[in-house]
Amino acid sequence: SQQGEEDPQALSIQEGENATMNCSYKTSINNLQWYRQNSGRGLVHLILIRSNEREKHSGRLRVTLDTSKKSSSLLITASRAADTASYFCATGGNEKLTFGTGTRLTIIP
Amino acid sequence: GAGVSQSPSNKVTEKGKDVELRCDPISGHTALYWYRQSLGQGLEFLIYFQGNSAPDKSGLPSDRFSAERTGGSVSTLTIQRTQQEDSAVYLCASSQAGVRGNTIYFGEGSWLTVV
Repeated sequence: SQQGEEDPQALSIQEGENATMNCSYKTSINNLQWYRQNSGRGLVHLILIRSNEREKHSGRLRVTLDTSKKSSSLLITASRAADTASYFCATGGNEKLTFGTGTRLTIIP
Repeated sequence: GAGVSQSPSNKVTEKGKDVELRCDPISGHTALYWYRQSLGQGLEFLIYFQGNSAPDKSGLPSDRFSAERTGGSVSTLTIQRTQQEDSAVYLCASSQAGVRGNTIYFGEGSWLTVV
């Protein structure tokens, strides 16, 4: 079974709007990572947040982590057409990263 | 090379044939991972290599699947007697150490179609 589950499964927004995706997981973690995948090919690492962190920023990305609720959110501000992709959260209490099923984000120009 | 390299990028094979998928990790990365992704699905862990330790094979779906890593670098994923349900993108990734606190870097994947 998937450790991480993203919500929503699909999201379409107008260019310039903010996009928020959520991830829930089941077991304790050391860190949580977000990845982006274009066109079903290789994944690109976006950001890692450690279990003792609550919020982290990288450019237009903002990630929050609530370990009490076993959830994380990824916010993309001022979205662009190039942000269209699938976004996955991944957790790994050990060396094995477990991925969710992803959120398919479509930015409408 | 600069990134994780996988070959072939696309492979069409007949049911029952064996296939080999190759992964060349980033130089110096001791950890190597194989994942499988079916159309529209998340990533399914297959196998993990870390240095000289015994690989974690817990994700291999059947004994038709095997993988090896020669000299701590290049890895080959072999699927014997392929079935149509094996059709998927097979993604390889590597990292400098275990995933604990380290980013893993993915290749572009090998798209396998079994007809």
